[in-house]
Amino acid sequence: EIVMTQSPATLSVSPGERATLSCRASQSVSSNLAWYQQKPGQAPRLLIYGAATRATGIPARFSGGGSGTEFTLTITSLQSEDFAVYYCQQYNNWPTYTFGQGTKLEIK
Amino acid sequence: QVQLVQSGAEVKKPGASVKVSCKASGYTFTSYDINWVRQATGQGLEWMGWMNPNSGNTGYAQKFQGRVTMTRNTSISTAYMELSSLRSEDTAVYYCASSSGSYRGFDYWGQGTLVTVSS
Repeated sequence: EIVMTQSPATLSVSPGERATLSCRASQSVSSNLAWYQQKPGQAPRLLIYGAATRATGIPARFSGGGSGTEFTLTITSLQSEDFAVYYCQQYNNWPTYTFGQGTKLEIK
Repeated sequence: QVQLVQSGAEVKKPGASVKVSCKASGYTFTSYDINWVRQATGQGLEWMGWMNPNSGNTGYAQKFQGRVTMTRNTSISTAYMELSSLRSEDTAVYYCASSSGSYRGFDYWGQGTLVTVSS
């Protein structure tokens, strides 16, 4: 089973600044990686798939990068609504999936 | 617009089974796979398995094999997830989610169903 490890567990950033979240796979997943945002009491929301493709309606300040085993989600000019928990998900052996344990992005 | 509407909260005793439904609308039900994901309070997301509503084919995460069954009723565009031999650790919010294509994440999510396992 592919294990996804996210870092850091918690990231404190000021509004208007840039946040960079990391996700590492235990073996190569090519570009078969998605990112989600989850706010308290809500279902997750798809942000990025294919490692770098923004989902419909996702603002351009969200960008994904990486391939193989190392991935990043970058959020520029953080807005108040961006503070949430973020999860990566691999689907290299589609249609099976694995999530990372999440990174909480909090206001500094 | 695409909507996935799940059944309401459940309280079950240890050893019992629970069956959660997920009614799809806004698209052709048989076009998108349905996945089930759970989340214990304060914890991360855990993928449980998938079902192709067209063929009925399923695939389950190893952790749940033998305890989970995913089915559907195409006449009412509804998918079901049944989890048996419940224990306290199964207390969680259960989500259905669908993907609008292969090799991409889950575009659409249900609102979640809280299942509480308690004696």
